[in-house]
Amino acid sequence: QQQVKQSPQSLIVQKGGISIINCAYENTAFDYFPWYQQFPGKGPALLIAIRPDVSEKKEGRFTISFNKSAKQFSLHIMDSQPGDSATYFCAASEESGYSTLTFGKGTMLLVSP
Amino acid sequence: DTAVSQTPKYLVTQMGNDKSIKCEQNLGHDTMYWYKQDSKKFLKIMFSYNNKELIINETVPNRFSPKSPDKAHLNLHINSLELGDSAVYFCASSQDNPQEETQYFGPGTRLLVL
Repeated sequence: QQQVKQSPQSLIVQKGGISIINCAYENTAFDYFPWYQQFPGKGPALLIAIRPDVSEKKEGRFTISFNKSAKQFSLHIMDSQPGDSATYFCAASEESGYSTLTFGKGTMLLVSP
Repeated sequence: DTAVSQTPKYLVTQMGNDKSIKCEQNLGHDTMYWYKQDSKKFLKIMFSYNNKELIINETVPNRFSPKSPDKAHLNLHINSLELGDSAVYFCASSQDNPQEETQYFGPGTRLLVL
């Protein structure tokens, strides 16, 4: 059972464009929604995260939009750069004793020069 | 300074062998994890340890046995390796603090079973 559904599977964006990756979840107990970035041959690294008490969080060119009623959240990368080419994972975890991240299946982003 | 380190980086072995992967974190975190990333890049939690105690054990074959000698180390031993075990294994750690849930991942161990 896939608890976090991520789309698209892959994405090609021109340099300077906006990259948008979407995620949806079913578990209403989820209360922490991070995005991880993974470059080839490296481990995932936290990019940006949001909690349900806000609808948007922005850090530089990266913005998370969160829609609690629709149980959806998305990552927007403004002014996409070739250096942003990587695999992006959305994830979610519950506010329970020990956080366990449930990951989406990932989106391979390629930003063309 | 490497925050979460894993050894070895690459592991090529024959079916039926037993192998171990080591993980160490120098972040002072209380919780450590093992994840498996398959060929389609899907990341799945395998185990979670908090202060050397097993917290989460997902549906993982008994051939996989984690061991935590102290809270800075979480090793993964795999018995009787199978072809389907070929994957990248990531160790991660986090602070046991609901306000700071960031998980820090190691560089991964690429396991190939022939």
